[in-house]
Amino acid sequence: AQKVTQAQTEISVVEKEDVTLDCVYETRDTTYYLFWYKQPPSGELVFLIRRNSFDEQNEISGRYSWNFQKSTSSFNFTITASQVVDSAVYFCALRVESGSARQLTFGSGTQLTVLP
Amino acid sequence: DSGVTQTPKHLITATGQRVTLRCSPRSGDLSVYWYQQSLDQGLQFLIQYYNGEERAKGNILERFSAQQFPDLHSELNLSSLELGDSALYFCASSASGQTYNEQFFGPGTRLTVL
Repeated sequence: AQKVTQAQTEISVVEKEDVTLDCVYETRDTTYYLFWYKQPPSGELVFLIRRNSFDEQNEISGRYSWNFQKSTSSFNFTITASQVVDSAVYFCALRVESGSARQLTFGSGTQLTVLP
Repeated sequence: DSGVTQTPKHLITATGQRVTLRCSPRSGDLSVYWYQQSLDQGLQFLIQYYNGEERAKGNILERFSAQQFPDLHSELNLSSLELGDSALYFCASSASGQTYNEQFFGPGTRLTVL
């Protein structure tokens, strides 16, 4: 079975601070995909990034960066110079290649609050 | 805007009733997924359809059912509603049913059972 753990339930930072959201996953599959989604106060889920298990390159997109480390089964998300608009719940998710149900398994989410 | 639409946005009903939630996927997407988000269970996968056929089932109750129509829109039917069914129900779509496809989520339908 697959599992995603986001140990940080809530994080609060002051604007312009950097913040890292942790994600640890468990799977026995060798082929899998990791995702991050953002859920702002308005409620919709916004896709941020997808990473496959064979690509350990870190990725940077503007103020966002992701660090994927298979050795520690982690896929952490860093926001640089945070802004109030970054306040949201962030979900890490895992999807594996094998099995009849290739559904997204979500972590419990991290509520990020960026204070002005 | 993800391109996935869901109606209604809010739904208030009573225990024992039946409701239907509707989802239209992004243009060209063949796969539709339903998720339930509640405070105690978090985000849970319910069911997936691909081009009209059921592809995968998650933690979907027997009181719940879904279908995907020839025009690819999908409906989630919830019957004999209980207080615990109150939740945010999301529909998502992807280009195909492949594992690597990112899923794009609709705005959700907030169901309140009184």
